[in-house]
Amino acid sequence: EVQLVESGGGLVQPGRSLKLSCAASGFTFSNYGMAWVRQTPTKGLEWVASISTGGGNTYYRDSVKGRFTISRDNAKNTQYLQMDSLRSEDTATYYCARHPYNNWDYFDYWGQGVMVTVSS
Amino acid sequence: DTVLTQSPALAVSPGERVTISCRASESVSTLMHWYQQKPGQQPTLLIYLASNLESGVPARFSGSGSGTDFTLTIDPVEADDTATYYCQQSWNDPLTFGSGTKLEIK
Repeated sequence: EVQLVESGGGLVQPGRSLKLSCAASGFTFSNYGMAWVRQTPTKGLEWVASISTGGGNTYYRDSVKGRFTISRDNAKNTQYLQMDSLRSEDTATYYCARHPYNNWDYFDYWGQGVMVTVSS
Repeated sequence: DTVLTQSPALAVSPGERVTISCRASESVSTLMHWYQQKPGQQPTLLIYLASNLESGVPARFSGSGSGTDFTLTIDPVEADDTATYYCQQSWNDPLTFGSGTKLEIK
């Protein structure tokens, strides 16, 4: 059974940093592209970033470029999202998601989500 | 960014047929996908590439469309289908989602 378990969320002040982790199990992690998607009541679902199987290719939405870094450790079956210079508009539930095999178009499994609140 | 427009809410009775629409601000070919999100849960994939049923999803769900107009159909609707349904496109960068259609079962 595919499982994606996020951790690392919490309350952080504007301008500070936070690092999310996503532990994967139930599939060969190194064979799949991975992603982070966030959700807020006002903006809905927003794709944040994606990473290729080996980690050599990364993609970001414009609003987080230069502030967020997606990475992965295939030996640990874990992906990460380093979030720097956080803003109030980054407040959201962050989901770890898997891209299907050899496909970047959609997400076939999602984690349960982790809440990030950016506030002073 | 490609904007996906969905009706905010629908209410139907069990056993009925319901169609949920998604209109794209520009053509996305058939690169449209549908998700179901039940209250307090993460989204789950229902349909990919406009009309392909994800493994394990009941055949009551189906998808159609191309270009700018897409439809998710549930026939027949069951009480357990109470959820918000989202479309998502992958033709244009960045990947974008619709605002969701909340389905209420009367």
